Amino acid sequence: EVQLLESGGGLVQPGGSLRLSCAASGFTFSTYAMTWVRQAPGKGLEWVSAISGSGGNTYYADSVKGRFTISRDNSKNTLYLQMNSLRAEDTAVYYCAKVPGRGTKGGWFDPWGQGTLVTVSS
Amino acid sequence: QSALTQPASVSGSPGQSITISCTGTSSDVGGCNYVSWYQQHPGKAPKLMIYDVSNRPSGVSNRFSGSKSGNTASLTISGLQAEDEADYYCSSYTRSSSLYVFGTGTKVTVL
Repeated sequence: EVQLLESGGGLVQPGGSLRLSCAASGFTFSTYAMTWVRQAPGKGLEWVSAISGSGGNTYYADSVKGRFTISRDNSKNTLYLQMNSLRAEDTAVYYCAKVPGRGTKGGWFDPWGQGTLVTVSS
Repeated sequence: QSALTQPASVSGSPGQSITISCTGTSSDVGGCNYVSWYQQHPGKAPKLMIYDVSNRPSGVSNRFSGSKSGNTASLTISGLQAEDEADYYCSSYTRSSSLYVFGTGTKVTVL
C-alpha cells in the first residue's frame, strides 16, 4: 500500500524558515515525480511545487518561487520542501502527493498524504 | 496564473445527477487532456476521482464521470448518494509559468 506521511509543520514567525518532510513507502520512490499542494484555512487547493523522479527537474508556483526549494533523497524515500522568508499568506496545510502519470508534466496527484499545518504568525 | 472557475455550490437530491463545471483557458483546460478531479471531505486529504479528463482510477465508483468541451471540463455524479457530499476540485496542467492550476472548488450538497 502506498503511504505518504508529512512532518515538520508548526508555528513560525514571519520571515522565518521551516523544512517539511514527506516519507514515502509502498512504491519505488525514485521512479515517480512528487508534488506539494497547500490549502489555506477555509480556502481551496493551490499547487506549490513539483520535482522529477531523479530530482533533476523542479518547478514552482509564482507565489513561492525564489523562497521555497523542493528536493528529494531517493536513498531515504523522502521528499522535502524548504520554506524560507515565510509570510502570513503561506499559512496552510501542506500536502505531498505522488504524481503517477507521465512525469512532472501532465500528471495527476494520487495518493495524497494527510497534510501538515504550517502557521506563520508573530 | 488564475484559478480555474468552478461554481461555488451544487446540490441535488439522492438518486439525481449533478454536473460540476471547470472553466479555464486555451493554456490549460482547452490546450491539453490533462484534467483531473478530486473529492475532499471535511478535515480529510483530497482523493483522486478522475484523471486525463475522463479516466476513473480503480476503486472509484462508476457513478463518477468526466468530460471536456473546449475550455470547460465537467464532472458528473449520477445516482447521487449522501456520501458524495464533499468539496470537489478540478486541476489542469498548464503551459503558464506554474505547472498546474486548481479550480476554485465546488461544495456538493445532498438534499
